[in-house]
Amino acid sequence: DAKTTQPPSMDCAEGRAANLPCNHSTISGNEYVYWYRQIHSQGPQYIIHGLKNNETNEMASLIITEDRKSSTLILPHATLRDTAVYYCIVLNSGNTPLVFGKGTRLSVIA
Amino acid sequence: SAVISQKPSRDICQRGTSLTIQCQVDSQVTMMFWYRQQPGQSLTLIATANQGSEATYESGFVIDKFPISRPNLTFSTLTVSNMSPEDSSIYLCSVEGDTGINTEAFFGQGTRLTVV
Repeated sequence: DAKTTQPPSMDCAEGRAANLPCNHSTISGNEYVYWYRQIHSQGPQYIIHGLKNNETNEMASLIITEDRKSSTLILPHATLRDTAVYYCIVLNSGNTPLVFGKGTRLSVIA
Repeated sequence: SAVISQKPSRDICQRGTSLTIQCQVDSQVTMMFWYRQQPGQSLTLIATANQGSEATYESGFVIDKFPISRPNLTFSTLTVSNMSPEDSSIYLCSVEGDTGINTEAFFGQGTRLTVV
């Protein structure tokens, strides 16, 4: 699986959009970009994933660059409960265990 | 979605003893995964547990230290053997659900182990 690079930490004001970047310059054509988050003392939680098109769900939006070498997770209106470690992972879909990097620790500040 | 129950949720154990962690899923799944999360660190994959065959261990993890059972498609156990303080971590089990075009992983709440 391709490796990813994320900033170790970010702050965001409550109510503002949180934009979390991820670099995955060695991603291959059949690998998806997945985002998970881990709130303190809980197991990781799936957020969203995409292949090459931008995706949106009730939790977030995922913007993938045209060359697929980077992506941005957007939480449109961050709340205090969005404070967590966010992991960007690239892998082939289906029964492949997730390989976690260090992630980005997002702190949402009131 | 898949609901995963892990037991125990936490434990404090004496060094040299063993602890067995149970993972129960509310649906049948082909593969289950065990992870370790050391304090302040990310998750590291220990092994993949397939029903009907031996678990596949990642580099740095061995069966003698982390024996795994997978008796059926909804249950697995991970044993942390001959524990030392360095084994103090959160241990999580995970399964991948296939919801049509999406494949996402589901995690238990974890077992917080402290070895004294």
